[in-house]
This record gives sequence, structure tokens and C-alpha cells, in this order.
Amino acid sequence: LAKTTQPISMDSYEGQEVNITCSHNNIATNDYITWYQQFPSQGPRFIIQGYKTKVTNEVASLFIPADRKSSTLSLPRVSLSDTAVYYCLVGDPNNNDMRFGAGTRLTVKP
Amino acid sequence: NAGVTQTPKFQVLKTGQSMTLQCAQDMNHEYMSWYRQDPGMGLRLIHYSVGAGITDQGEVPNGYNVSRSTTEDFPLRLLSAAPSQTSVYFCASSYSLHVSPLHFGNGTRLTVT
Repeated sequence: LAKTTQPISMDSYEGQEVNITCSHNNIATNDYITWYQQFPSQGPRFIIQGYKTKVTNEVASLFIPADRKSSTLSLPRVSLSDTAVYYCLVGDPNNNDMRFGAGTRLTVKP
Repeated sequence: NAGVTQTPKFQVLKTGQSMTLQCAQDMNHEYMSWYRQDPGMGLRLIHYSVGAGITDQGEVPNGYNVSRSTTEDFPLRLLSAAPSQTSVYFCASSYSLHVSPLHFGNGTRLTVT
């Protein structure tokens, strides 16, 4: 299983762009990279998934360099409601043991 | 379409009691899983299932049993509750684990005294 490493916490201010980087040095060829967001007292919610290069949806972008040993979740113009814990997961289609790390606690300040 | 439904929302048990946490999904997802989350920590995988009749252990399976008799339901059983099992439990499901996202329930907060 590819282990992931993320910063424990980050602070930002409303309106700023936030980039959260995840390290996954031993990512395997078949692994996808998925990010989830979790608010207090709720289950995690899917944000974005990618395999290589760049993926963008209505809430975030995911940048994956060519070597795929890291990935960066980019949240444009954050608001107070983006305060949450963000998890990076690396999953192997041949392995159904999907594990979460400790995540990154993002605090957005006014 | 209710998504993933967990019951109960809250439960208090005494040490040694047994109980079953219920999880049901109405999205016809093959993959289902149970996680526990302790205060200030990430989620840890307890058990998972890739389809009816198939279950497997995650990283913290001890003290928990599961079964998957139907596609819709994936109950988690605590046979003899211990204070160390005090946690918030989340059930999740996915159509196809690695190419479609996990959908989570709202959790069951369990306290064992």
C-alpha cells in the first residue's frame, strides 16, 4: 500500500488560494489519487480524483507531476466554510484495502 | 435515494455488552466498508466487503465482526464491547472502489463505559 504524508495543519484567510500537498513516494503504476473533505461530526465527502497531470472540477484542482510521487490539491478563493480536514488517499485497483491517513486540518480565517 | 444510512446515531454500552451497528445503502454499490474515527485522528479501516457474501479485514478488525448477506446491508457487530471501542463509526460504499468515490454515512457515536 502506498503511504501518504500530508501536513498536519494549515491556516489561510478568506479569498486566498490554498494548496495542500500530499507525498506518496511509493505510489504504484495502477494507483489513483483521491481527496476527501471532512467537516466535524460528518462523514468524509469526495472532492476530486486523478491519475496524472491536472484534473479540475467545480470545487478544486488536482495537480500531479509526471513522477506521481506527490499531488497537490488546490482550493481557489477559500471561504470560512472550507474549514475542514482534507484527506489524500492513494488506492490500488487491485487492492480493496482503502486506508485514510491523519489528514490536513485547514483553518480559514476571516 | 437516501444514500448511506447508519443507525443508531448515538449509543451507550456497558463493558461486555454486544450490539450491532446498522448500515444500508440504496445505490446498488458492491463495495462497502466500516471505519472508526477517534478524537482528532483520521479514519481507520475495520472491515470491508466487495460484494454479497465476501468480507475482509482492514487495519483494526479485532473485536468486530461483519457479514454481507445482501448488497444493501453491511452490519458491524461488537460481540463484547470494551472502552477502547468508544469512537465514531462510519460506513461507506462505492460503486467501483478505485474509480468512483466512497459515499459515507453520517456516523454512529458509540460510548462504552
